Amino acid sequence: AQSVTQPDIHITVSEGASLELRCNYSYGATPYLFWYVQSPGQGLQLLLKYFSGDTLVQGIKGFEAEFKRSQSSFNLRKPSVHWSDAAEYFCADTTGGGNKLTFGTGTQLKVEL
Amino acid sequence: DVKVTQSSRYLVKRTGEKVFLECVQDMDHENMFWYRQDPGLGLRLIYFSYDVKMKEKGDIPEGYSVSREKKERFSLILESASTNQTSMYLCASSLEVMQPQHFGDGTRLSIL
Repeated sequence: AQSVTQPDIHITVSEGASLELRCNYSYGATPYLFWYVQSPGQGLQLLLKYFSGDTLVQGIKGFEAEFKRSQSSFNLRKPSVHWSDAAEYFCADTTGGGNKLTFGTGTQLKVEL
Repeated sequence: DVKVTQSSRYLVKRTGEKVFLECVQDMDHENMFWYRQDPGLGLRLIYFSYDVKMKEKGDIPEGYSVSREKKERFSLILESASTNQTSMYLCASSLEVMQPQHFGDGTRLSIL
């Protein structure tokens, strides 16, 4: 069965520092990958998606993610974190031909001023 | 912009009650989804619908049912609410298979 792993439950970074959130997928076929962000009390907002093509994808709010098939990873990055980035981040994938998303358990990001 | 509206942000019900959670989307999306979100477990799919009157079970359908009489509305029903159904419930929709899902703000449901 496919699964999405986010190994870090909590991450704390200082404002202005760089950020990398890890995501690993296990499904063997070509994955469709997503990163979502959830601010407190809100629903999920799409940050970026990868379907095919260029393995480095740009998203909203200055985020980017890189697909690495050899490592089964789709890590989210931001060069300089802002206090407003404090939120929970979810990685998700969906099988080719299916329309169900499988979510990771999320990474809670705290930003220290 | 796609808008997915969930009828209640907070809801408190008693065990044994029949509970209805409503979700409406305004972009003519084919697919609609219901998830529950619990700390440490991420989002888990309860049911989804890919067309009016069509539904499929997700990963945790037990104790729930759904209704989709109109394309824009997807209802989640707790037939006889129990305390272990206390959770955050999120509704989502997508235009086509493989397209990103758009989420509502969630309903925090407490069963006493």
